[in-house]
Amino acid sequence: QKEVEQDPGPLSVPEGAIVSLNCTYSNSAFQYFMWYRQYSRKGPELLMYTYSSGNKEDGRFTAQVDKSSKYISLFIRDSQPSDSATYLCAMSRSGGTSYGKLTFGQGTILTVHP
Amino acid sequence: DTEVTQTPKHLVMGMTNKKSLKCEQHMGHRAMYWYKQKAKKPPELMFVYSYEKLSINESVPSRFSPECPNSSLLNLHLHALQPEDSALYLCASSPLASGAQYFGPGTRLTVL
Repeated sequence: QKEVEQDPGPLSVPEGAIVSLNCTYSNSAFQYFMWYRQYSRKGPELLMYTYSSGNKEDGRFTAQVDKSSKYISLFIRDSQPSDSATYLCAMSRSGGTSYGKLTFGQGTILTVHP
Repeated sequence: DTEVTQTPKHLVMGMTNKKSLKCEQHMGHRAMYWYKQKAKKPPELMFVYSYEKLSINESVPSRFSPECPNSSLLNLHLHALQPEDSALYLCASSPLASGAQYFGPGTRLTVL
């Protein structure tokens, strides 16, 4: 079983839809949770960063972390064709021998069609 | 400035060549990373430098040799690579060796 599970999709939605992306994880030591957006042949771009449980909103993006369920989500409101990309969840621990190591999900391919 | 820069953007090399990838950040971050990414896969960690010291080496073959000359620069020296080493090589940095990492655009490496 992978430490972080993410449905690879692909996910196809019409423009203006609300998109929900999710990851589950098994290691309760994860404390930092991130969402990255990666366009084809480019480096990952940090979208959202949260520490421990809770919600965070930034424009059209909302990140949620539920540590009790080991479940994180990213919501995209009013989706645009420019949101078409691969979305990667990532998480890391504080301290220990894996200090500094990000554990990624497999990535979800999203297409927003006009 | 919230940017990590990488050079070159593209690199084609033969199996007997020696080349280097360069990464630079001016955000005052004290941790820097090298990742390798194959198509349709997430990035795989290769090395972590924390305060200019190598803190994690993920059992990377010795044909990849990292170097951190100062807190802003990170190099990856390449020698005697194999065709299966062809990939996107990503550099990242973070304020400390925990939390969010900021990635550069990557170097697309092709080994012939």
